[in-house]
Amino acid sequence: GENVEQHPSTLSVQEGDSAVIKCTYSDSASNYFPWYKQELGKGPQLIIDIRSNVGEKKDQRIAVTLNKTAKHFSLHITETQPEDSAVYFCAASIKSRNTPLVFGKGTRLSVIA
Amino acid sequence: ETGVTQTPRHLVMGMTNKKSLKCEQHLGHNAMYWYKQSAKKPLELMFVYSLEERVENNSVPSRFSPECPNSSHLFLHLHTLQPEDSALYLCASSQIGRAGLNTEAFFGQGTRLTVV
Repeated sequence: GENVEQHPSTLSVQEGDSAVIKCTYSDSASNYFPWYKQELGKGPQLIIDIRSNVGEKKDQRIAVTLNKTAKHFSLHITETQPEDSAVYFCAASIKSRNTPLVFGKGTRLSVIA
Repeated sequence: ETGVTQTPRHLVMGMTNKKSLKCEQHLGHNAMYWYKQSAKKPLELMFVYSLEERVENNSVPSRFSPECPNSSHLFLHLHTLQPEDSALYLCASSQIGRAGLNTEAFFGQGTRLTVV
């Protein structure tokens, strides 16, 4: 089955700096890669996703890149703000109607003001 | 508000109790999931109800029993739990296309369960 590895497990950055979180996946059939943000006391919420037919996607300060050959994808947050502090999860979906998302272990991002 | 509602938000139960967690989705999705989130562990998929089929993680103990009476409602029945079952239990829903492509999962806010 699919296996998703996520690094680092914790990340601290100064406000205004960039943050990068990386994930690798094992199954080349995976074609959908979402990123979720989980704030304290809440469930994970989708912040950006990418499908395997594109290499990069941007949404304001957030971008995701995908390298299908190397089977890795990354989340980039620029000009970080204290409200970006949360746990971020990557996930991968296999091309099978009965296979749900497989999540990474999460990265706790702390943005220091 | 994500369109997925979980109740209760918090639950404390003894090891001999029987309780149920409820999840309701208002998004018209055809798949619903139960996840367990423990401290310092990844989201652990427990059960999936997808297109009226149930898929389960074989490592989930039988003291957890899911029920999905229709595509909008999902329950997790709990009995004789152990303290290590204390965790955040998250419900999610998604739309699975006939072509086999999953869409994003929408999560509820979770039920914080404490077993004493």
